[in-house]
Amino acid sequence: NAGVTQTPKFRILKIGQSMTLQCTQDMNHNYMYWYRQDPGMGLKLIYYSVGAGITDKGEVPNGYNVSRSTTEDFPLRLELAAPSQTSVYFCASSYIASGTQFFGPGTRLTVL
Amino acid sequence: AQRVTQPEKLLSVFKGAPVELKCNYSYSGSPELFWYVQYSRQRLQLLLRHISRESIKGFTADLNKGETSFHLKKPFAQEEDSAMYYCALSKNTDKLIFGTGTRLQVFP
Repeated sequence: NAGVTQTPKFRILKIGQSMTLQCTQDMNHNYMYWYRQDPGMGLKLIYYSVGAGITDKGEVPNGYNVSRSTTEDFPLRLELAAPSQTSVYFCASSYIASGTQFFGPGTRLTVL
Repeated sequence: AQRVTQPEKLLSVFKGAPVELKCNYSYSGSPELFWYVQYSRQRLQLLLRHISRESIKGFTADLNKGETSFHLKKPFAQEEDSAMYYCALSKNTDKLIFGTGTRLQVFP
């Protein structure tokens, strides 16, 4: 099993550009999460999903959108990139509602 | 508001020395607490959770509700313990609130 995979690993965007960060898990987990981590800070929850077709906002959702059309995929969309979105983005999944989450390797995004 | 505080950004010790990484939390309900670890060039992974009361890689953590703490301890640090350690609080069991992390450096 690959676990949680994320693409791309790195990306540089210009202000105002849009992009989608991909996240896929092959563990048949119901719960999926997107976090961002700014330098020197902990992970902050952007959006999460408790199953296909169901998404909800986390602590810092502004500027992002998500969808969950399948159990496996949970893409994160940035519509109008801003420098404040420069961060490392982590996707995670869990089988049930618990604190045992499995993380992807992260995507480092820079917005210039 | 729920919050997790890790007061030390960096903790440096020599091999064989005891280690204690501090974690304090604020939460009005019954907390579930976790320690996650990220080794160099690896992804974030669960180290231990208080509910299982187990020792992983020689690390233990006891939930102290009176002091609202969940410190991570190891009696004899090893070089391979060098990593970033994050304390996390589970809110309603499905969302995690993370601390800012402590980098542990173990020197030979």
